[in-house]
Parts: sequence; C-alpha cells; structure tokens
Amino acid sequence: EDQVTQSPEALRLQEGESSSLNCSYTVSGLRGLFWYRQDPGKGPEFLFTLYSAGEEKEKERLKATLTKKESFLHITAPKPEDSATYLCAVLGGTGANNLFFGTGTRLTVIP
Amino acid sequence: NAGVTQTPKFRILKIGQSMTLQCAQDMNHNYMYWYRQDPGMGLKLIYYSVGAGITDKGEVPNGYNVSRSTTEDFPLRLELAAPSQTSVYFCASSLRGRYSNQPQHFGDGTRLSIL
Repeated sequence: EDQVTQSPEALRLQEGESSSLNCSYTVSGLRGLFWYRQDPGKGPEFLFTLYSAGEEKEKERLKATLTKKESFLHITAPKPEDSATYLCAVLGGTGANNLFFGTGTRLTVIP
Repeated sequence: NAGVTQTPKFRILKIGQSMTLQCAQDMNHNYMYWYRQDPGMGLKLIYYSVGAGITDKGEVPNGYNVSRSTTEDFPLRLELAAPSQTSVYFCASSLRGRYSNQPQHFGDGTRLSIL
C-alpha cells in the first residue's frame, strides 16, 4: 500500500538544540518528495523538492535529504520562529501519478 | 502578489445548507486543486482542474462539486452539508499538473463547521 509516515508526531526542542524529522514512504515509482511548512491557521508553504536518492537541499537552518525509503529534515540550531508543522508529500504510486501527504510533525522550539 | 486567495476564512453551516468556497490565484497557473485536511490525517484531494472548463475527481469527491470557468477561479460547492464535511479546506495551484514534480502553492484555508 502506498503510504507516507512522518515521525515523530510532535517534537519539542530547546532553542539551539539540533534534531531531525523523518518522512518514510512505501510509495512506488518516486518522482519527487516535497517538504512543506505549515503555521497555525495557514496553508502549507513550500520548502523543498527532492527528486532522487542522495539529493540534498538547504535553506537557512533546514537541510533536507533523501534515500530510497525515507527523507530527513535536519534542523540546525533552531530558533522559536522555526516552530510549525512540517509536512512531507511524495509523488509516485501506481502510474507515478499520485501525491501522498503525511500527517506532519509539529515542532515547538522553546526559547 | 497575493498567490492563492481563499474566502471565507471561517464558516458555520447547518446540516442540509449549501455554500460555495471561493478560490482565486493570480500566478497564471493552469492547474488548481481542492484538498481537505482533517485532524491526524494527511491532506486528501477532493477535485482538481487542468484548465478552464476541465475538472476531474480526486480521492474524496462525494458531496462536492466544482467548476472552472476562468484560469483564475476554482470554486468548490457543497450542496447538502453534512457533519462529515466539517474540515479545513485548502485550495492550491501549480504551474504544471499533478503528475509533474512541480510544487503546489496553497491558500490559507477555509475552516468549515457543519452543525
């Protein structure tokens, strides 16, 4: 079954405490993996697209990596403004035509 | 540059009432989508459109209708509201279609409660 699983569901970090969010997938025929940030009461905001295993993308304190089974979103020295829900979505599946969303990781960074 | 604009932001409906959720984008994107987001669930695709006059069903279309008369607008219609339609609804658009690896850009959602 095509599925995207994000872990942990929630993560609390002290400001400056680096960590990683995980997105594992069983979607066949990967054509792209997307990371989004979602603030409370807002829509998802696009962060990165990863296309193939081994690829990495960086933006400020965020770094996304991709393997054949999972993606990690590494957060280095987070700040309170990094608090948000981070969503992962995988394009693929039968015919490589579907976009599967995970349920997100809710990150809280404490000053 | 507004991106994707959704109205209203909040709405409470009674069972059996109908309403239209509005969505407009100013990025000249041909592809537009409607999703619902329920607590603890990933975004689910309701309907999508590949251009003016062309729409198709997504994963959870029952109880909804759409139309696409212009490139900019993609309204979602609920005809007979049911409690199961209580959700947050997001409209999105993309430069290329859902089968491409171009990212989708989202509006800020409409929070709908059916009582």
